[in-house]
Amino acid sequence: EAGVTQSPTHLIKTRGQQATLRCSPISGHTSVYWYQQALGLGLQFLLWYDEGEERNRGNFPPRFSGRQFPNYSSELNVNALELEDSALYLCASSLYRGNQPQHFGDGTRLSIL
Amino acid sequence: AQSVSQHNHHVILSEAASLELGCNYSYGGTVNLFWYVQYPGQHLQLLLKYFSGDPLVKGIKGFEAEFIKSKFSFNLRKPSVQWSDTAEYFCAVNAPNNAGNMLTFGGGTRLMVKP
Repeated sequence: EAGVTQSPTHLIKTRGQQATLRCSPISGHTSVYWYQQALGLGLQFLLWYDEGEERNRGNFPPRFSGRQFPNYSSELNVNALELEDSALYLCASSLYRGNQPQHFGDGTRLSIL
Repeated sequence: AQSVSQHNHHVILSEAASLELGCNYSYGGTVNLFWYVQYPGQHLQLLLKYFSGDPLVKGIKGFEAEFIKSKFSFNLRKPSVQWSDTAEYFCAVNAPNNAGNMLTFGGGTRLMVKP
């Protein structure tokens, strides 16, 4: 069974640019979660999508947005990039029904110059 | 909102030593509890989970954790660590009865096992 896949592995941008990160969940999983792992701040919840809808978002500004496609893959968009957006962005997926653990991808390392 | 505290940021042990990593959470309702491990250069992997039932949970690679509801704790244990257990360990909580379903993570504990 293929795990959660994320692309690209690394992304280098400059301040003010826009970044798009992609995630493919495990086959059969309908829920996709995005987390930010920034140095010194730990793992913080960003967004949760299920069945194409945004179900919840963490304490991040609106320039962090995303969507989920009919095949349950997802993309995270970060607009007007700031230096503090430099972090590892992790995607996780799970089955939605019932208590289900989340399975994580390898992450996308976003570096802002 | 829930929060998770991991008291030990760095732990150094010799092989065969016993391990206990502390995890406390703050949330008054029903919670699901998890321990994840991140080996160097690898993605987060689920070590074990607690949803309900027996508060002593056994996971992969000889790890176990005990849920003590009265102490809001979910400590991770292993009787005898190996060099290959060197990794960062994260405790996480979600509250299934709220609308979030997201995981709240502790700050992580970096474990180094000396051969």
